[in-house]
Amino acid sequence: EAQVTQNPRYLITVTGKKLTVTCSQNMNHEYMSWYRQDPGLGLRQIYYSMNVEVTDKGDVPEGYKVSRKEKRNFPLILESPSPNQTSLYFCASGGDTDTGELFFGEGSRLTVL
Amino acid sequence: GQSLEQPSEVTAVEGAIVQINCTYQTSGFYGLSWYQQHDGGAPTFLSYNALDGLEETGRFSSFLSRSDSYGYLLLQELQMKDSASYFCAGYILTGGGNKLTFGTGTQLKVEL
Repeated sequence: EAQVTQNPRYLITVTGKKLTVTCSQNMNHEYMSWYRQDPGLGLRQIYYSMNVEVTDKGDVPEGYKVSRKEKRNFPLILESPSPNQTSLYFCASGGDTDTGELFFGEGSRLTVL
Repeated sequence: GQSLEQPSEVTAVEGAIVQINCTYQTSGFYGLSWYQQHDGGAPTFLSYNALDGLEETGRFSSFLSRSDSYGYLLLQELQMKDSASYFCAGYILTGGGNKLTFGTGTQLKVEL
């Protein structure tokens, strides 16, 4: 089954404690990206990756890091989480310019106390 | 900068037709997508316009006019299950690749 898998789905952590949200896709997509969703603000792109070792900032990259060492994985790293990073995070893959379709993971709800 | 504007909320009755508009201000734009999101769920892809004109997929159609920087999603024969949030998303070509910016979303409420 074609899917994008994120972990953890839910996490409560404290300010300053490094955390990583993993994202894996099994569709051999070159394009992967991360979004955060906050009430009234829609989906905002954090980082995206066009292929292995190729990443670029989205609209809200501050406080986040990413890496793309393998095609299937695109982890999101919060080196020192702060309460303003409490949000719902989505990973997505695809984005083929012919079809324009992105496949989203189920989301990771993060709370930073 | 890039921005996509949508109405925040639309209400319609079951069986009706509804149009959700999206206007954008962005340079390097090359395509417009639409996504549906039910409460608590992941966005799911509905439609994509790389060219001007109408794309039809079942009860859903999407339209793009580059000259007007405008697009819309048309939902026909509305059903209660269509109650959800709908997002337009613009693809922008940058030096680094394909940046995707979402609108703030339109909450569609379908009533009996």
